Amino acid sequence: SQKIEQNSEALNIQEGKTATLTCNYTNYSPAYLQWYRQDPGRGPVFLLLIRENEKEKRKERLKVTFDTTLKQSLFHITASQPADSATYLCALDISYGQNFVFGPGTRLSVLP
Amino acid sequence: NAGVTQTPKFQVLKTGQSMTLQCAQDMNHNSMYWYRQDPGMGLRLIYYSASEGTTDKGEVPNGYNVSRLNKREFSLRLESAAPSQTSVYFCASSSDRGSDTQYFGPGTRLTVL
Repeated sequence: SQKIEQNSEALNIQEGKTATLTCNYTNYSPAYLQWYRQDPGRGPVFLLLIRENEKEKRKERLKVTFDTTLKQSLFHITASQPADSATYLCALDISYGQNFVFGPGTRLSVLP
Repeated sequence: NAGVTQTPKFQVLKTGQSMTLQCAQDMNHNSMYWYRQDPGMGLRLIYYSASEGTTDKGEVPNGYNVSRLNKREFSLRLESAAPSQTSVYFCASSSDRGSDTQYFGPGTRLTVL
């Protein structure tokens, strides 16, 4: 069956450390993988997109990797801050913008 | 630029009642989507529309109908609400390029008693 998982429901880290979130999927062949941030009571906000032929993408303190052999993406936030506390969602584009599958999310808490 | 707007923000229905959730975007996007979000299950696609006049089913379409009224507006209708449809509903839009991001609305929190 097709499935998308994120490593843990919740992750607590100390301010200044690097947070690493994992997204694993089975039986999909996504063209793209996206990461979103969601704050309580709000809609998701796009952060980064990585294509199937890209290994790594960076944007400021954010880095995402994509291993299509392992069927896994890692999302890193370096020098984490309390303001980074939110739920992070990964999403697979499985039909070139026509159909998306989202993971359940990881709730990140950055402790001061 | 308002982005993606949704109405209403909150709604309580009784089982069997009907209602329509409204969504509009002002970014001239071709593609629009309706999702529901339930605790522990992530966002699940209900319906999507690749362009004005076309709609397609997503993962969980049963109990819902949609209308792509024009390029800006995409509505979701519950004909006979059931408690299992208690959820937070999000509308999203994106350009027609496959690599583009989705822009989400603020959501509608629906409770069916």
